[in-house]
Order: sequence, then structure tokens, then C-alpha cells
Amino acid sequence: GAGVSQSPSNKVTEKGKDVELRCDPISGHTALYWYRQSLGQGLEFLIYFQGNSAPDKSGLPSDRFSAERTGGSVSTLTIQRTQQEDSAVYLCASSSIAGNTEAFFGQGTRLTVV
Amino acid sequence: GENVEQHPSTLSVQEGDSAVIKCTYSDSASNYFPWYKQELGKGPQLIIDIRSNVGEKKDQRIAVTLNKTAKHFSLHITETQPEDSAVYFCAPSWGSASKIIFGSGTRLSIRP
Repeated sequence: GAGVSQSPSNKVTEKGKDVELRCDPISGHTALYWYRQSLGQGLEFLIYFQGNSAPDKSGLPSDRFSAERTGGSVSTLTIQRTQQEDSAVYLCASSSIAGNTEAFFGQGTRLTVV
Repeated sequence: GENVEQHPSTLSVQEGDSAVIKCTYSDSASNYFPWYKQELGKGPQLIIDIRSNVGEKKDQRIAVTLNKTAKHFSLHITETQPEDSAVYFCAPSWGSASKIIFGSGTRLSIRP
């Protein structure tokens, strides 16, 4: 596609349920990043992928969070047993290489845990 | 790891005036210095960037200046307009195969 695509754009879930957030990066981009943004706050790094491997997952808040990337393309961020504090916008970005080049962001998934 | 500080956190300027946002970083190996703009309800978007072999870069009303010795770079917006109202982030980085850490953001408001 022309840009980074995230789905769903909005997700409301009940506390304790699992959710999956999807990111389709720009074709050919080897690096993929996940960030979390709470209302009015900055960009909290979660994890990044180089190809299908995740060299740095240090930002994942707890073991309820996991992510995978398959075929060097689509990535899924999974949150198990969601809590109210997980409510935020989850942003995905991709770049041609990891590090010192432009990152292209999707529109984000707004997650609300009720 | 990279420690990034961005100031001010909020900035309000009269339309037509200039705005300056500063980003300080800790890793002397950093060699790529971008600024991103995030409008309400959207993901951040690159507006200007500079590499370590250049001291200043300008694109119409926006410019970025780099001081590698002092380890800081700044975003300059001149003749501000209402559409400049947004949150701005810096994200210094180095090399390849590294995560991108963003500054805490600056909320810029343009007063009519």
C-alpha cells in the first residue's frame, strides 16, 4: 500500500479480554516499530522489528504484551487480559532500515478498555 | 541508551511570530536529527531532518539547526500560521539497527 495501515482504527473491549492490533507496513520496509501514546502524552517505545526478529522488546510493559511479525511484513501486537491502564492509542511505524532514517507512521489504533 | 530532552513542553505564540523548540540528546554517536509534527488524531509525520555533517537546513518557513558539540538541535518556525498548531517531537538516532526514541513533545499553539 501507499502508507502504513493499522487496524482496527478503534477498539473497545471489556477488561480481561484479549485484543490483537494489526500493522501493515510500507512494502519493502525492513524495520517496524510499535509505540503507545496515552492521552496528551508522548510516544512510549514498545518494541521494534528488523525483518521478523525483535532486537529490542525492552519497552513492553508486562508479559501480557507480545508482538510478532511474519514474512517481514505484517505485525500483530497482542494484549492479553486487558486492563483499564492499557487504554491508549497504539501507533505503528515502519522505515526502510532501522535507525537513522525517516519513520512513517500509521493513523493508530485507539484502544479503550471498559 | 539515548536520553532525549525536549523544551519547552508547551509554547504559545502570536500568529506571524517565530517559534523555537530545542532538543538535547546524550549519545555523542547520534548522527540523524529529525523533527516530527503530530496533528490531532493522526500519527507523527516528518517535517524536516538534518544529518551530522550539516549545521543548518531550511525548508520554506521551517529550519533545523544542529550543535553537535553541545549535543542539541532546534526547530525554528518563522511567520507562524494557525496550521502550525500541533505537537512536535524530536527523535535523534544513530547508525542502523536501532530503536527510535522520541522526545517528550512540545505542544505549539498559535494565537490569532
